[in-house]
Amino acid sequence: GAVVSQHPSWVICKSGTSVKIECRSLDFQATTMFWYRQFPKQSLMLMATSNEGSKATYEQGVEKDKFLINHASLTLSTLTVTSAHPEDSSFYICSAITSTGQGFETFGSGTRLTVV
Amino acid sequence: TQLLEQSPQFLSIQEGENLTVYCNSSSVFSSLQWYRQEPGEGPVLLVTVVTGGEVKKLKRLTFQFGDARKDSSLHITAAQPGDTGLYLCAGDSGTYKYIFGTGTRLKVLA
Repeated sequence: GAVVSQHPSWVICKSGTSVKIECRSLDFQATTMFWYRQFPKQSLMLMATSNEGSKATYEQGVEKDKFLINHASLTLSTLTVTSAHPEDSSFYICSAITSTGQGFETFGSGTRLTVV
Repeated sequence: TQLLEQSPQFLSIQEGENLTVYCNSSSVFSSLQWYRQEPGEGPVLLVTVVTGGEVKKLKRLTFQFGDARKDSSLHITAAQPGDTGLYLCAGDSGTYKYIFGTGTRLKVLA
């Protein structure tokens, strides 16, 4: 079955620094990857949709200059939180699908970001 | 904006009791999924329903998709402590871009 891997699983960074989170599809080619954010005790909120080789599409209210998404290959998408602040602390989760929608139900294990 | 409202938000029950979680929307979805999420982990798929009126069973869990494909329910029979977790429904409007429900946090006491 489809497997999606995220790295790191947790990260602590200082306010003002940038953090990169990786999302990899291990056994399939992911033409599209989705990035979600989840605050404590809340549901998942879609941040952006990234398509391989093109610019990501951001949801309303998500700052594209702050959350940089790169989907340079069919197996890797990265989310970089730039100039992180404590309010960016959250659980970030990705999912990935093929061009025919295969793998749509598979999520990465998540990355817990804490900005101090 | 598509919204998926889940009820109840929180549920604490004794082992052996039955419960039902509801997922409601004013929008039609081409498919709807239910997930369970443990703390610090990504959501894990329980079931996908695609046909209006569809009922699926997974051991003690019964899932139903509304006839109009706007709502769904999850019924757990004889709940066990291992059922504890955050239950999320998610709807797809047809583009694989999923909208997640507000979530139901279930705690089953031994």
